Amino acid sequence: QKEVEQNSGPLSVPEGAIASLNCTYSDRGSQSFFWYRQYSGKSPELIMSIYSNGDKEDGRFTAQLNKASQYVSLLIRDSQPSDSATYLCALYHNAGNMLTFGGGTRLMVKP
Amino acid sequence: EPEVTQTPSHQVTQMGQEVILRCVPISNHLYFYWYRQILGQKVEFLVSFYNNEISEKSEIFDDQFSVERPDGSNFTLKIRSTKLEDSAMYFCASRTEGNQPQHFGDGTRLSIL
Repeated sequence: QKEVEQNSGPLSVPEGAIASLNCTYSDRGSQSFFWYRQYSGKSPELIMSIYSNGDKEDGRFTAQLNKASQYVSLLIRDSQPSDSATYLCALYHNAGNMLTFGGGTRLMVKP
Repeated sequence: EPEVTQTPSHQVTQMGQEVILRCVPISNHLYFYWYRQILGQKVEFLVSFYNNEISEKSEIFDDQFSVERPDGSNFTLKIRSTKLEDSAMYFCASRTEGNQPQHFGDGTRLSIL
């Protein structure tokens, strides 16, 4: 059973602050990890992918992966009100050819 | 930027009827997926499709469901004898080879009355 756990939130941060979103997973065989953003009533939109331990930066976003601790995180620097959404952590296992999603963390950025 | 397109955006159907949800994956993608999301719940995997056959399916994907790639561009999900609990957003996704991420369409909101 591949489980992905996220704090449902809401996580409230002021505009300009750093938002830190966390995700833990149970399947050690997971090989690829993704963060998707989902606005209410919309589809998941890919934000970041990360495949190896360490940090990966893309603009205001940094993904961090620690396979030993089975932990993935997403940092959003200089948070903007437009970042307010639900952030979904998803993992991919080659043997399963599917994404397993967490329940998402709702982020609220207050002006 | 190429995108996955889904039609219709909203489908309202009477319980017991059949529905077909349509998707056009990104043109050079080889792997195709259907997911669903019941209101307020997680995105759940239904089925994956590669090389003209199902490669994986979840427990949700029972005999009520079927998928087809009738031509070189469309990918469809058929739900027979719909039930109230089939009401959800249905997302199509596709990806290229390797461990590349899946890209999602805008979804079809299915409402069963």
